[in-house]
Amino acid sequence: TQLLEQSPQFLSIQEGENLTVYCNSSSVFSSLQWYRQEPGEGPVLLVTVVTGGEVKKLKRLTFQFGDARKDSSLHITAAQPGDTGLYLCAGADNYGQNFVFGPGTRLSVLP
Amino acid sequence: DTAVSQTPKYLVTQMGNDKSIKCEQNLGHDTMYWYKQDSKKFLKIMFSYNNKELIINETVPNRFSPKSPDKAHLNLHINSLELGDSAVYFCASSQDGQDQETQYFGPGTRLLVL
Repeated sequence: TQLLEQSPQFLSIQEGENLTVYCNSSSVFSSLQWYRQEPGEGPVLLVTVVTGGEVKKLKRLTFQFGDARKDSSLHITAAQPGDTGLYLCAGADNYGQNFVFGPGTRLSVLP
Repeated sequence: DTAVSQTPKYLVTQMGNDKSIKCEQNLGHDTMYWYKQDSKKFLKIMFSYNNKELIINETVPNRFSPKSPDKAHLNLHINSLELGDSAVYFCASSQDGQDQETQYFGPGTRLLVL
């Protein structure tokens, strides 16, 4: 069974600070996605990374897929209160049959 | 218009009852999913359903059964509810079920079994 781990589990920072969230596995994934989930809502996709070493930027968010496609990171620059939420990484195995989520990082950005 | 909708949003019921949760997507997608999110926010896939092909997560008890009357709907029926079934259940859909596709999630159904 493929497992994804995320760290940190909880993160509370001040507005304007930078942060990085990590998603790690011992397994190789054909693709990896990052979602943000707000209280009472379903997850919303932020990005999909496919190629090892790939870096994608979405405004203040930078996503990186590890060279070996076993890990990923999400970096947020100058965090804002609107970034508050649960950040989930999710990966698909090489056959696309198994889609697993990490346990999430709960981010709180204080004004 | 809501892309993926679920009803009910909240469901409180007694242990042993049978209940259904409905899901509809108006995106024209071919694949639909059911996920369970536990109290620790761990999302686990339960089922995926594509063109009448059902892929079941082997850890899901057979008390859970998905029913798809048509491509736009995937309902979840649960028999003999147990306390451990309390969770938030999310429906999702994607175009073809490929691993790189975006999955669109519904707002969730919060199930509490007493």
